[in-house]
Amino acid sequence: DVKVTQSSRYLVKRTGEKVFLECVQDMDHENMFWYRQDPGLGLRLIYFSYDVKMKEKGDIPEGYSVSREKKERFSLILESASTNQTSMYLCASSLRRNLNQPQHFGDGTRLSIL
Amino acid sequence: QKEVEQDPGPLSVPEGAIVSLNCTYSNSAFQYFMWYRQYSRKGPELLMYTYSSGNKEDGRFTAQVDKSSKYISLFIRDSQPSDSATYLCAMSDNNAGNMLTFGGGTRLMVKP
Repeated sequence: DVKVTQSSRYLVKRTGEKVFLECVQDMDHENMFWYRQDPGLGLRLIYFSYDVKMKEKGDIPEGYSVSREKKERFSLILESASTNQTSMYLCASSLRRNLNQPQHFGDGTRLSIL
Repeated sequence: QKEVEQDPGPLSVPEGAIVSLNCTYSNSAFQYFMWYRQYSRKGPELLMYTYSSGNKEDGRFTAQVDKSSKYISLFIRDSQPSDSATYLCAMSDNNAGNMLTFGGGTRLMVKP
């Protein structure tokens, strides 16, 4: 079974802080994704990566950056957290870019910015 | 208009009922279709994955794709209270680079 692990289930931070959300997958997947999920807005793609050191903007990248130094780890960074970034953050991975396989999700990090 | 439409519910049914969950979509290039189940405060869990049109069955779950109508369904037989969750449909096309387009999710409540 694919295992996608997000480092924190719940996180509370203050406005202006730099926040790191970590995600690790154990199935040697090439593709990794970061989403946020908000009531009424569904899942929205923030950033994704097809390989180490590679990153691509999703639909809502503003205020976020990512890092992929190792294949199994994909980090989401909130450069200067704001209250409108309070949300559920979901990490996902899938096998390869040119192979239409489903994405597998972690359990999410519920982030509150005060 | 959203690319993938899904009734948000909630859909409330008695235990043992047959449940039908549906999504409609507008992009005729979609060929890969998924259903995810998401319990409260958890991540989405893959339930069914199908390619092109037709049916796929897995235990109490049946996924159905009608590409001519741009309509997909998930049927749950003998529904259980443990099936209470939000169900998300997702789909992609051959050229999407494994990008998924999601429906907004339908909240299902199965009452004992």
